[in-house]
Amino acid sequence: DGGITQSPKYLFRKEGQNVTLSCEQNLNHDAMYWYRQDPGQGLRLIYYSQIVNDFQKGDIAEGYSVSREKKESFPLTVTSAQKNPTAFYLCASTGGGQTAGNQPQHFGDGTRLSIL
Amino acid sequence: GDSVTQMEGPVTLSEEAFLTINCTYTATGYPSLFWYVQYPGEGLQLLLKATKADDKGSNKGFEATYRKETTSFHLEKGSVQVSDSAVYFCALSDPYSGGYQKVTFGTGTKLQVIP
Repeated sequence: DGGITQSPKYLFRKEGQNVTLSCEQNLNHDAMYWYRQDPGQGLRLIYYSQIVNDFQKGDIAEGYSVSREKKESFPLTVTSAQKNPTAFYLCASTGGGQTAGNQPQHFGDGTRLSIL
Repeated sequence: GDSVTQMEGPVTLSEEAFLTINCTYTATGYPSLFWYVQYPGEGLQLLLKATKADDKGSNKGFEATYRKETTSFHLEKGSVQVSDSAVYFCALSDPYSGGYQKVTFGTGTKLQVIP
C-alpha cells in the first residue's frame, strides 16, 4: 500500500544537539510538507517542497532546515537554534499540478520530539 | 489572511447521540474545504471534502455541506460510536496556489464518545 513513513516515532534531543526526522513517501507525490502540532494550536507549516531540489519556508521555519534530494524523501532537521522543539511533527504530501489545491493531504503517523 | 474557526472542545457524547462540530472560515475567493480526523498517536486522515458551494461531502456516516452564504462547513453524524472518539480538524485550501497546497487548519475539536 502507498503511504508516508515517518521515523522514528519518538525522539529525544539533548541541549545543543541537532536531530533529523525522516519522511519517506511512495505515493509518487510531487509536493511534501512538514507541520508542527502543539496542543490547542492546530497544525503550523514549517517547510514545503514542490519539486526535487526546491523548498520554501512556511510560517515557522526558524530553527529548522530541510532537504529534498529525492522525490520520495523530505527529511527535517531540528537545529539547536530551535529553543522550544518539543512537539508532534507531521509530514504530508500531495500530488502537484494546478489541481493541488483541491487534493487532500496524505499524512504520516508523526514523530514526537522531546527535550532531555 | 485565511482563517478557520472550530468550536472548542472537548465534546462528550453518549453512544448513538447526534454530533455537530461547527466550523466557519474566512477566505478570499472559493476555497476547498476539508475535514480530517486524528486518532491518538497517529497522523491526520481525510474524512471528507467539498470543493464548491453547496457541495456535500460524506464518508462513514459523517456529512458536511459547503455553505458559502454563511461561510460554514459544519460536521454532522446522526449516531456516533465509541470508535469515533478522536480529534477532528476543519481545514481550507486555496485551489489556485499552483503546484502545492496552501492549507489553513482549525485548532481541532476533541470528541469523546462514552458507551
